[in-house]
Amino acid sequence: EVQLVESGGGLVQPGGSLRLSCAVSGFTFSRYWMSWVRQAPGKGPECVANIKEDGSQTYYVDSVKGRFTISRDNAKNSLYLQMNSLRAEDTALYYCGRSGLGVWGQGTTVTVSS
Amino acid sequence: DVVMTQSPLSLPVTVGQPASISCRSSQGLVHSDGNTYFNWLQQRPGQSPRRLIYKVSNRDSGVPDRFSGSGSGTDFTLKISRVEAEDVGVYYCMQGTDWPHTFGQGTKLEIK
Repeated sequence: EVQLVESGGGLVQPGGSLRLSCAVSGFTFSRYWMSWVRQAPGKGPECVANIKEDGSQTYYVDSVKGRFTISRDNAKNSLYLQMNSLRAEDTALYYCGRSGLGVWGQGTTVTVSS
Repeated sequence: DVVMTQSPLSLPVTVGQPASISCRSSQGLVHSDGNTYFNWLQQRPGQSPRRLIYKVSNRDSGVPDRFSGSGSGTDFTLKISRVEAEDVGVYYCMQGTDWPHTFGQGTKLEIK
């Protein structure tokens, strides 16, 4: 069974940092682009970052460039999102998704508040 | 960024009746590899989004055949031939051709 399980969310103060993880199973992780997608309360989804199969290419939405870093460890079947300089507007449910968003995790909640 | 515009934003439907959602992109979605990376997703209340249709008209595994996708260029449509109670939720169109990948505003389907 294909599974994506996110973790690492929580409550953080503005300016703080969090590292999200996504543990993958049920498919050959190293063969797929992967994404982080977030959904603010009551809003639609937003693609935040994308990473190529081997990690050699990454893409970010403008609002997180310079603050977020997507990475992966194919040996550990894991995807990561390092989030620095967090802002209130980063508050959202963060999902990892497989290439084309055909598979989603259940999400991990990030709340940025003082 | 490619802007995705859906209509209607609210869709009350009687069980057993058909439903249709439109999505227009601000630019063509044909990728340089010849594919059109346009998807439809469903988000039931309290659940993660689920992809229903990929590359315009291909149903994902396990998606009932009452769901169908069509379109080309900048205009796309999701049709539900006969709405069932389990179809309640928000439907999003999404393009994966150009970065950043972008979503429509969502169409909330409810049962009359």
